[in-house]
Amino acid sequence: SYVLTQPPSVSVSPGKTATITCGGNNIGSKSVHWYQQKPGQAPVVVMYYDSERPAGIPERFSGSNSGNTATLTISRVEAGDEADYYCQVWDSGTDHRVFGGGTKLTV
Amino acid sequence: QVQLVQSGAELKKPGASVKVSCTASGYTFSGYDITWVRQATGQGLEWMGWMSPSTGRSGSAQKFQGRVSMTRDTSLNTAYMELSSLRYDDTAVYYCARGGLHLPDDPWGQGTLVTVSS
Repeated sequence: SYVLTQPPSVSVSPGKTATITCGGNNIGSKSVHWYQQKPGQAPVVVMYYDSERPAGIPERFSGSNSGNTATLTISRVEAGDEADYYCQVWDSGTDHRVFGGGTKLTV
Repeated sequence: QVQLVQSGAELKKPGASVKVSCTASGYTFSGYDITWVRQATGQGLEWMGWMSPSTGRSGSAQKFQGRVSMTRDTSLNTAYMELSSLRYDDTAVYYCARGGLHLPDDPWGQGTLVTVSS
């Protein structure tokens, strides 16, 4: 089955840039979605189709996807960005969705 | 606004079954799939499967096949996920979300805590 690999944790100072990666075999050929989950809350999509930002998500959030790595970048990080972030793809081989293991962003 | 509202917390014994409901509002229920995802305490998100409200067709992750059933009642705009032969490690928060083949899962229900305990 398709495996997505994320770093367990990323730490960044307020105002700096956070980069969260999602590794997978030829992930650049797939559409990647990113979810933010704060403690006690349901996940919320913060990026879809690699680099599309939903309404209400700040422009500080951006995404890219190429080769074997997809990336979620958060610029000018704020305390409110502290959360778990998950990447997700559709694996056409199994007709299943797959989540990465999640990255805890600490600000 | 688009909203998914799930049924309340459940406490079940090992070997029993649980049925979680997910009621949609604010959009055409048959126009999008319903995805089911679970999350054990302190763990990551685990995709369980999907169901098409328009056709009733569903698919599930291999580890749940034979134990999970995903159905719907279109007259109630409600999707159901039933998990049988419950084990202690099925204790988790179960989420439904609106999705589709290549669509992101958005929005999500508030989650339903299922606790398996003797």
